[in-house]
Amino acid sequence: GAVVSQHPSRVICKSGTSVKIECRSLDFQATTMFWYRQFPKKSLMLMATSNEGSKATYEQGVEKDKFLINHASLTLSTLTVTSAHPEDSSFYICSAIRDRGNEQYFGPGTRLTVT
Amino acid sequence: GENVEQHPSTLSVQEGDSAVIKCTYSDSASNYFPWYKQELGKRPQLIIDIRSNVGEKKDQRIAVTLNKTAKHFSLHITETQPEDSAVYFCAASRANQAGTALIFGKGTTLSVSS
Repeated sequence: GAVVSQHPSRVICKSGTSVKIECRSLDFQATTMFWYRQFPKKSLMLMATSNEGSKATYEQGVEKDKFLINHASLTLSTLTVTSAHPEDSSFYICSAIRDRGNEQYFGPGTRLTVT
Repeated sequence: GENVEQHPSTLSVQEGDSAVIKCTYSDSASNYFPWYKQELGKRPQLIIDIRSNVGEKKDQRIAVTLNKTAKHFSLHITETQPEDSAVYFCAASRANQAGTALIFGKGTTLSVSS
């Protein structure tokens, strides 16, 4: 199978601080990873597409300076929420594509709470 | 860009009945349509997918149909069971220079009562 992990699973931070979330493909190399945000009882909203070794492509309305994405290797992408505010509290989920397929393998998600 | 509409938002059925969830998409270039099941606080799980060169696909109690001309696809669950209760999301692919992303529908909360 294709396993994607995320760390941490839950994080609570104070307003104004930054939080880094890691997304790892454990048993395959992921040339492309995606970051989603999901509010309670809502759908997954695509935030950005992350390709190894290049800058992330952000969706319209997503602030690139607010949500920093680094895809430094074929198995790791990180999302840093900078200067977090309570409205950034959400469930952040990453996914990865193996080879050139379409199927996306999702991580377990990270619950971010900003107090 | 791609827009995916999903209906209904909630669906309640009796155990053993069938459930149908419908989605429409806007981008005629979309060629991959997966369906995900998500339980509360968990990651989305792929339950079935279909590509644009196929009109129908079935996997035991689950089937998906695709009408490319009308740009809509549907999920059919037969002989529903209480453990089918979850939120179901449809999605459509959207290709750009960065990669093939998925655009999700708003979800359908399925409740199966015994």
